[in-house]
Amino acid sequence: GAGVSQSPSNKVTEKGKDVELRCDPISGHTALYWYRQSLGQGLEFLIYFQGNSAPDKSGLPSDRFSAERTGGSVSTLTIQRTQQEDSAVYLCASSLNEKDRGNTGELFFGEGSRLTVL
Amino acid sequence: GEDVEQSLFLSVREGDSSVINCTYTDSSSTYLYWYKQEPGAGLQLLTYIFSNMDMKQDQRLTVLLNKKDKHLSLRIADTQTGDSAIYFCAESLSDAGNMLTFGGGTRLMVKP
Repeated sequence: GAGVSQSPSNKVTEKGKDVELRCDPISGHTALYWYRQSLGQGLEFLIYFQGNSAPDKSGLPSDRFSAERTGGSVSTLTIQRTQQEDSAVYLCASSLNEKDRGNTGELFFGEGSRLTVL
Repeated sequence: GEDVEQSLFLSVREGDSSVINCTYTDSSSTYLYWYKQEPGAGLQLLTYIFSNMDMKQDQRLTVLLNKKDKHLSLRIADTQTGDSAIYFCAESLSDAGNMLTFGGGTRLMVKP
């Protein structure tokens, strides 16, 4: 596709349910990032992937959060036993490999998945 | 950890210049960025500056970088109502691939 695609765009769920958010990066982008944006807040880093491996998981808020990436492409962010404080917009971004010539490190963002936990 | 800080809010009149300021902490950042987020949308790169530059101009946008003070600014000339958005400053961490650390965002409101 032309850009980073995220689904669902909106998700309303009940407290305690599990949710899965999907990110389809730009074709050829080896790096993929998940950020969280709470209402009126900045961007909180969650996790990033280089290929299928996640060198940095330090931003995941709790063990209820997990993410995986398969085939060096699509990634899913899973939140188990959702809580109201998980309500936020979850943004995914992708970028070229840091070592690619001419790479300025720009992240290309999707439009986000808005999660509301009732 | 690293912190990128911005003021929360800026209000200007249409036609005036806007200046959005940012301070960062990682002196080894290779690039610094300004992203724009319009309501209900994801972030889009507005401009960036390489760390060995002091200034970059791109049409109505001027980026100034003071490495000594770790201060970055974005000036928008002749601000238009369409410039109303949230502007995020970001730095790349030298040891974390392309991962960016973002500031909290500055909400720019342009009054007609």
